[in-house]
Amino acid sequence: DAKTTQPPSMDCAEGRAANLPCNHSTISGNEYVYWYRQIHSQGPQYIIHGLKNNETNEMASLIITEDRKSSTLILPHATLRDTAVYYCIVRVAKAAGNKLTFGGGTRVLVKP
Amino acid sequence: KAGVTQTPRYLIKTRGQQVTLSCSPISGHRSVSWYQQTPGQGLQFLFEYFSETQRNKGNFPGRFSGRQFSNSRSEMNVSTLELGDSALYLCASSLEGMVVETQYFGPGTRLLVL
Repeated sequence: DAKTTQPPSMDCAEGRAANLPCNHSTISGNEYVYWYRQIHSQGPQYIIHGLKNNETNEMASLIITEDRKSSTLILPHATLRDTAVYYCIVRVAKAAGNKLTFGGGTRVLVKP
Repeated sequence: KAGVTQTPRYLIKTRGQQVTLSCSPISGHRSVSWYQQTPGQGLQFLFEYFSETQRNKGNFPGRFSGRQFSNSRSEMNVSTLELGDSALYLCASSLEGMVVETQYFGPGTRLLVL
């Protein structure tokens, strides 16, 4: 699976959009981009994933650049409960097998 | 639908002992993965079980082992505990373990080795 690079931390104002970048310059054509987050002392929580197209769900939006070498997770209206470590993960679309390789993630602090 | 459950939630052991942790996946999920989280190494994949067979394995010593039962419940065992085994152990489940599936994590078991 390709390696990802994320900023170690970032602050965000409550109610504003939070834009979390992720670099995956060695991504190959059959690799998906996944985002998970981990709120303190809890298990990671799935947020969103995508292959080529931008994706949106009730939690967030995922914007993948045309060359697929980077992506941005957007939390449209950050709340205090969005304070967490956010992980960007790239996974090969193999036939089977579940193995997530977590990097350091971005520690997001939402401030009132 | 009930989420992934892990027991016990907290555990204290001493060096040299062994420990068994349990994970009950979401109903209908057949893939169960285990992860170890420490402040120094972060979240690391231990192994994955599917249909009672280990399908993927991370880079951990043989002291770490697991199994899966016919009802998809899984256990992991750590023998001859070391201080460095103190960690949060997380279990995750998904339907078939396919890449496009979402993995759902349990709350974890926090193990302290003294």
